[in-house]
Amino acid sequence: AQTVTQSQPEMSVQEAETVTLSCTYDTSESNYYLFWYKQPPSRQMILVIRQEAYKQQNATENRFSVNFQKAAKSFSLKISDSQLGDTAMYFCAFTSGGSYIPTFGRGTSLIVHP
Amino acid sequence: GAGVSQSPRYKVAKRGQDVALRCDPISGHVSLFWYQQALGQGPEFLTYFQNEAQLDKSGLPSDRFFAERPEGSVSTLKIQRTQQEDSAVYLCASSLESGGGRGEQYFGPGTRLTVT
Repeated sequence: AQTVTQSQPEMSVQEAETVTLSCTYDTSESNYYLFWYKQPPSRQMILVIRQEAYKQQNATENRFSVNFQKAAKSFSLKISDSQLGDTAMYFCAFTSGGSYIPTFGRGTSLIVHP
Repeated sequence: GAGVSQSPRYKVAKRGQDVALRCDPISGHVSLFWYQQALGQGPEFLTYFQNEAQLDKSGLPSDRFFAERPEGSVSTLKIQRTQQEDSAVYLCASSLESGGGRGEQYFGPGTRLTVT
């Protein structure tokens, strides 16, 4: 079974600074999909960024970028120029290429301070 | 619709009662997931539909849990004889793609179930 580990239960950052959230996963497959989802307080979970394992280039979405290290099975999320609206739970998720079923990590609570 | 909706948003049930949770996915979305999210945890997979077909129900914790999506759109998660350990937020998510969790999922706001 695949596992996803988020080793930082809580993180905090000052507004406008950069923060990196870590995620590692365990799989024997070569084709898979990785995601970061954001769950703001009392609001719906939304996709932040998606990475396909066969693509070597790291995905970016505006202020959000990933550092995908396939050999190390690491998929960290970097948030640049942090904003107060980035305060949320962040979940890393993994879906193997041969499966429909995503596995989520336990989440990292990020607080952005003014 | 504008997004995935779920009803009710909050449900309090006495132990032993049956409950039904509804999910309205985004129109045209093929894939539909149900998850259970305990406090401070990530979503745990319960079941997956592709259109009206329930392709995977391996995450359902017991035979008290039942899900359906008879016309390939609205889905209902039913829990019979609720127990205190069923207390959690139940999330529904839909995806345009038939690849299930390989594509972007759009989540509903969840139903918070409290069993007393």
